[in-house]
Amino acid sequence: SQQGEEDPQALSIQEGENATMNCSYKTSINNLQWYRQNSGRGLVHLILIRSNEREKHSGRLRVTLDTSKKSSSLLITASRAADTASYFCATDYGNAGGTSYGKLTFGQGTILTVHP
Amino acid sequence: KAGVTQTPRYLIKTRGQQVTLSCSPISGHRSVSWYQQTPGQGLQFLFEYFSETQRNKGNFPGRFSGRQFSNSRSEMNVSTLELGDSALYLCASSFRGGGYNEQFFGPGTRLTVL
Repeated sequence: SQQGEEDPQALSIQEGENATMNCSYKTSINNLQWYRQNSGRGLVHLILIRSNEREKHSGRLRVTLDTSKKSSSLLITASRAADTASYFCATDYGNAGGTSYGKLTFGQGTILTVHP
Repeated sequence: KAGVTQTPRYLIKTRGQQVTLSCSPISGHRSVSWYQQTPGQGLQFLFEYFSETQRNKGNFPGRFSGRQFSNSRSEMNVSTLELGDSALYLCASSFRGGGYNEQFFGPGTRLTVL
């Protein structure tokens, strides 16, 4: 399987704390995207980071990518109860430097619980 | 700009029946991808359509099929339903469906097979 792996599988923190989730993948990628999902609903796109980028920010979110280690991390700062959700990383592997034509490969996700 | 819409949101079918799900992408997006999400297998790619052509296909049996119309709306069909087809079916749209394009997901269709 080409699925990435995320850790931890579950994370429980208090409001105001930072939450860090990690994602590892297996082969070279075009890009990596992070998504949030609330209670079995649709996925909300958070950030896309390209293979030639090392770090991106969006509001309280910070994503890093280390292609040498084939890993990425998502940091949520000053977490809120509303951040409670499942978080997924998804990789676009491409093929021989080309495109994967709409196929993202998802990890199993991290369940984040933020207690008020 | 309106997001990705999926209809219906919920479906209950019995084994052996067939079902058709619909997805309307974000205006201007020409690529539509479909995914199946189950507790056991997670999110798995079904297929992708661009300009009415299937460009990529996941590892699912031939009972799963799809199509895309000239306005980029897409449908997927599952024939001869099995209990294991119960899942959340998600579609995602992107501008071109590859490389550096973000995929934006709809709310999903929850299919229950009895």
